Amino acid sequence: EPEVTQTPSHQVTQMGQEVILRCVPISNHLYFYWYRQILGQKVEFLVSFYNNEISEKSEIFDDQFSVERPDGSNFTLKIRSTKLEDSAMYFCASTGGQRETQYFGPGTRLLVL
Amino acid sequence: SQKIEQNSEALNIQEGKTATLTCNYTNYSPAYLQWYRQDPGRGPVFLLLIRENEKEKRKERLKVTFDTTLKQSLFHITASQPADSATYLCALLSYNTDKLIFGTGTRLQVFP
Repeated sequence: EPEVTQTPSHQVTQMGQEVILRCVPISNHLYFYWYRQILGQKVEFLVSFYNNEISEKSEIFDDQFSVERPDGSNFTLKIRSTKLEDSAMYFCASTGGQRETQYFGPGTRLLVL
Repeated sequence: SQKIEQNSEALNIQEGKTATLTCNYTNYSPAYLQWYRQDPGRGPVFLLLIRENEKEKRKERLKVTFDTTLKQSLFHITASQPADSATYLCALLSYNTDKLIFGTGTRLQVFP
């Protein structure tokens, strides 16, 4: 069964450094998402992406964040200058044309020191 | 403000019994309500979706009900097994948005 994949599984970085989290959505899906989950808290929406554009973003998704689909398969989340409070699990998700069900990847655990 | 509450942080039941988890929401008109399973350190795994005009959905040992008047969904796992032990997340999706809103989850522990 097709799956969303994410790399790396873990990333440790120093505060102020840039990180890029990578995702390969399910191949025939058209809509892509990033969510995050701070330890012990609920899963929170960051951004949705369709047709090479951001379609919706949350208040968390400020100027330090950006997303890109650099080729036909990858979908990336960049954090330009990481802060301690960016430490979280970051999940990529994708969905097809019906947009009812989002399928999540296994996540990248980001730790900012 | 919009709120999604799942009945308890943790639920412990004996193997073979039916687990019932509750999701209540306020100030929200969802088009779809979804249940996900999340294991520690892993991403949410989709289980079931129910639409606003549906009352009940079943899939194998899982059953979801949706009452838009009460603003509540119940999620049942019948004949529970230790392998069902996980956190179960309720998530809402409205029309004209792709933003899934998640509850905090209920951690289910099934004891042999």
